Parts: sequence; C-alpha cells; structure tokens
Amino acid sequence: NAGVTQTPKFRILKIGQSMTLQCTQDMNHNYMYWYRQDPGMGLKLIYYSVGAGITDKGEVPNGYNVSRSTTEDFPLRLELAAPSQTSVYFCATNTGANVLTFGAGSRLTVL
Amino acid sequence: AQKITQTQPGMFVQEKEAVTLDCTYDTSDPSYGLFWYKQPSSGEMIFLIYQGSYDQQNATEGRYSLNFQKARKSANLVISASQLGDSAMYFCAMREGRGGGSQGNLIFGKGTKLSVKP
Repeated sequence: NAGVTQTPKFRILKIGQSMTLQCTQDMNHNYMYWYRQDPGMGLKLIYYSVGAGITDKGEVPNGYNVSRSTTEDFPLRLELAAPSQTSVYFCATNTGANVLTFGAGSRLTVL
Repeated sequence: AQKITQTQPGMFVQEKEAVTLDCTYDTSDPSYGLFWYKQPSSGEMIFLIYQGSYDQQNATEGRYSLNFQKARKSANLVISASQLGDSAMYFCAMREGRGGGSQGNLIFGKGTKLSVKP
C-alpha cells in the first residue's frame, strides 16, 4: 500500500515548456487534490476532483489543467511554464475522518 | 483578509518542555474544521490533529492537543514534552463547510517554524 505517489520528485523546466505531474493513489478514494507551496508559505489549492470524470478549480488554477479518467490517477498539466510556477506541488487524497494524506511532493523550478 | 493567521514565524522550546503554537481563523460558516499539519525538513505533510466546529471537547492526539476557543476564533496547538524530532514547520489549516468536494479544500496559514533545543 503505497498511499499517494507523485512523480517526478524534481524537475527543471525552461520558460514556455510543458509538463505533467503524475499522482496515483492506491486507496480507491474519490477525492483528490493538487496543492502548491511557495517558499515560506502554506499550501494553496489548485484543482480538486470528487471522482472520476469530475474536476473543479481551487484557489489558484490559472496556468494548470487536470483530468481524472480513473479513480487512481489525477495528473496535473502545466502548459507554457512560467517562473511564477516555481513551487513544490503536493497531491493529496481524503482518506476519511477529516484527514488528507499527502504525497511526498514534486519540486518544480522554471528558469 | 487572511482566513488563517499564524503570528509566530519561529519558536524555540527546550526539550521536554511544552509549547503552544498560535492560530486564529476567520469564517462566517457555522460548520468548519480546523487542522494542524507538521512539515519536517524532508518536506512531507503529516496530519497531526483535527477539531470540528461543533465538537464540544478539545481534540487530543498523544502529545498534541488543540486548544479550541470558538468565541475568540483561535485553535492553538499545544505540544507537550517536546522532543528533538518535533523540530519542523507547523501549519494550521481550515476547511469551511462540510461534505462533498469541499472536504479537502483546506486554507493554510503561513506556518510556524519550531526548533527544539537539547
């Protein structure tokens, strides 16, 4: 039982490049979330999903896209990367009893 | 206006002593939840404790307790008998409403860095 798995752990992008952050959970939970954490700050919600085929915007969705074709996977797509997207990205799932289980994070640098 | 305020950027505590990390929140929703998460230097987010707005008693989880003062809109984390491994960033977070996708829509404070001295 791996919980929430994120890949890659680290990535450097050039301005204008695109990439996908992968998130997989093996707990069969419906709710999944993408957060970003900027240096010295708390986490901010980018997108979330309440089940396969259903996604919705969080607080900071601009510059990102998501899809949820299966219960297990919730990839986050960055189109036309910008330096402002340099951050640590966390995927999470709601494991019930008001607890979010987070992945280990993906550190992205845009140069 | 900030919804979650953590006024202590950094705190020091002596090993084996207790420490209180402050958190105030702002919401007009009668149903909400308050959380504390720990982030060690390795970067992962670890759930510590939860308090619901309708809970009558303060939450406790081992050495962690949440001092919930609803009228003052504060949800301070108390760590008893501090250990060196408690050195980390601590984040207070709030969820407004209940049920549905909003269950995981947490609003985080900026965090408090706790350093435990031997």
